[in-house]
Amino acid sequence: EPEVTQTPSHQVTQMGQEVILRCVPISNHLYFYWYRQILGQKVEFLVSFYNNEISEKSEIFDDQFSVERPDGSNFTLKIRSTKLEDSAMYFCASKDDNNSPLHFGNGTRLTVT
Amino acid sequence: EDKVVQSPLSLVVHEGDTVTLNCSYEVTNFRSLLWYKQEKKAPTFLFMLTSSGIEKKSGRLSSILDKKELFSILNITATQTGDSAVYLCAPPNFGNEKLTFGTGTRLTIIP
Repeated sequence: EPEVTQTPSHQVTQMGQEVILRCVPISNHLYFYWYRQILGQKVEFLVSFYNNEISEKSEIFDDQFSVERPDGSNFTLKIRSTKLEDSAMYFCASKDDNNSPLHFGNGTRLTVT
Repeated sequence: EDKVVQSPLSLVVHEGDTVTLNCSYEVTNFRSLLWYKQEKKAPTFLFMLTSSGIEKKSGRLSSILDKKELFSILNITATQTGDSAVYLCAPPNFGNEKLTFGTGTRLTIIP
């Protein structure tokens, strides 16, 4: 069964550094998402992306965050200057149409020291 | 603002027991309700419910939606240790593509 893949599975970075989290959504999917989950807390929506542009973003998704679909397969989340509170599990998700369920990747655990 | 409340927050039962997990919601332009299971990593999709009163089943799991009372239940019969997980519900709405998850119910099955 096709799946969403994320790399790396774990990234450790120093505060102030830039990180790029990578995702390969399921190939025929059109809607792409990033969510995050701080340890012990809820899964929170960050951003949705459709037709090569952001369709919605949450308050968490401030100017430090950006997303890109650089080619036909990858979908990336960049954090420009990481803060300690950015430490979380980041999930990428995709779906094929607006009425379908989301399929999640296994996540990237980001640790900011 | 959309609101999702799950109960109980935590549940510990013995293997073989039956459990019922609850999800109530307040969402404008309701479209559907989704249930996910989260073990160690990614939430995995269980059910999508769009119509009231129609039960969806998958093995020992079943779920039903009540759009009048704004809630859904997830039932698991003859529980097994592999059912131990956090169960999440999320009600997306029209005109809004994101999922707002509840805090989840942490289910622990004791052998």
